[in-house]
Amino acid sequence: AQTVTQSQPEMSVQEAETVTLSCTYDTSESDYYLFWYKQPPSRQMILVIRQEAYKQQNATENRFSVNFQKAAKSFSLKISDSQLGDAAMYFCAYNRGTASKLTFGTGTRLQVTL
Amino acid sequence: EPEVTQTPSHQVTQMGQEVILRCVPISNHLYFYWYRQILGQKVEFLVSFYNNEISEKSEIFDDQFSVERPDGSNFTLKIRSTKLEDSAMYFCASSVAGASYNEQFFGPGTRLTVL
Repeated sequence: AQTVTQSQPEMSVQEAETVTLSCTYDTSESDYYLFWYKQPPSRQMILVIRQEAYKQQNATENRFSVNFQKAAKSFSLKISDSQLGDAAMYFCAYNRGTASKLTFGTGTRLQVTL
Repeated sequence: EPEVTQTPSHQVTQMGQEVILRCVPISNHLYFYWYRQILGQKVEFLVSFYNNEISEKSEIFDDQFSVERPDGSNFTLKIRSTKLEDSAMYFCASSVAGASYNEQFFGPGTRLTVL
């Protein structure tokens, strides 16, 4: 069974600084997808960034980028120039492809301080 | 921008009662999902649905749960006889068929409180 592990229950970053959230996963599949979702206090799940396992290039979306290490089964999220609005729970997630279930990690609560 | 909607936003019920949680997926999406999140815990998969059939379900999705797409727009989750441990946030999600990017779009959730 696939598992997703987030070892940092909480992280804190100062506004305008950079923070990295860690995620590791376990799978026997060769093709799969990895995601980072943001859950603000409103509780809605918002997709931040996705990575296809067959792509070697790390995904980037504006201030958000990932470090995908397929051999190590590691998928970290880097947030640059952190903003107060980035404060939220961040969940790492995995699935095998279109229409398959998402398996989530336990989440990392990110605080952004002035 | 199209979005997934869910009603009600908060449902309070007595233990043993039936509840129906409603979702309207994005109109051109064909895959539908329910997830739940017990307060302070991770998001867990319940069930996926495609072509009017359950595609996959988790161990949580026992005989007390059912899903239905009663018309062309709604997607419902029914819990027949609620238990205290069913108290959670329930998220509906949908995705478009054949998309290489494979994104599931989530609704805002329904908070279910079982007393």
